[in-house]
Amino acid sequence: DTAVSQTPKYLVTQMGNDKSIKCEQNLGHDTMYWYKQDSKKFLKIMFSYNNKELIINETVPNRFSPKSPDKAHLNLHINSLELGDSAVYFCASSPHRVSGIENQPQHFGDGTRLSIL
Amino acid sequence: EDQVTQSPEALRLQEGESSSLNCSYTVSGLRGLFWYRQDPGKGPEFLFTLYSAGEEKEKERLKATLTKKESFLHITAPKPEDSATYLCAVQAAGSARQLTFGSGTQLTVLP
Repeated sequence: DTAVSQTPKYLVTQMGNDKSIKCEQNLGHDTMYWYKQDSKKFLKIMFSYNNKELIINETVPNRFSPKSPDKAHLNLHINSLELGDSAVYFCASSPHRVSGIENQPQHFGDGTRLSIL
Repeated sequence: EDQVTQSPEALRLQEGESSSLNCSYTVSGLRGLFWYRQDPGKGPEFLFTLYSAGEEKEKERLKATLTKKESFLHITAPKPEDSATYLCAVQAAGSARQLTFGSGTQLTVLP
């Protein structure tokens, strides 16, 4: 069973298009994240949702809009795609708190490789 | 601003040749330091969490240690299947649980 699943795995599209990436987790976690991994392999946080509520919104262009219909899903919609948006986007999830320990590890999906032509 | 620096960027070892990877960090109050393994085309896979200086954790051929400024991932007698990129990340106290990652060490173990 895949714990954190993202679709699609690959996304190739033209500059200026609008696209969405979907993420689902079956771990029962209540916090979900979107990270961007650039060509130098740096993973940078973009957004985080806890129980469908936005709790982290890093300096990301407002062309990027996350949506969480329920705590098991966090989708990422990107408007007017630009060349610089080419990267691998990772979804992750973690429990909010287990036995009083707050820093539970995050579990990652296998990423969506976005290529802008 | 929280920062994580990993070294070396790349490391090639012969099978059985032990070595260590370094993760230096600056953070405003450490809540936890995490080690992940990432294989090509895959997402990061959780290995260890370290919470305080002096702590050590082991899993098979890997041992992670933590001081107030850095963490080491020691690999003892590595095998080719240990080849991967190893990522270090910190979580700051008072943060909303986001991780700040280093750029990783790409480890290649030759048979």
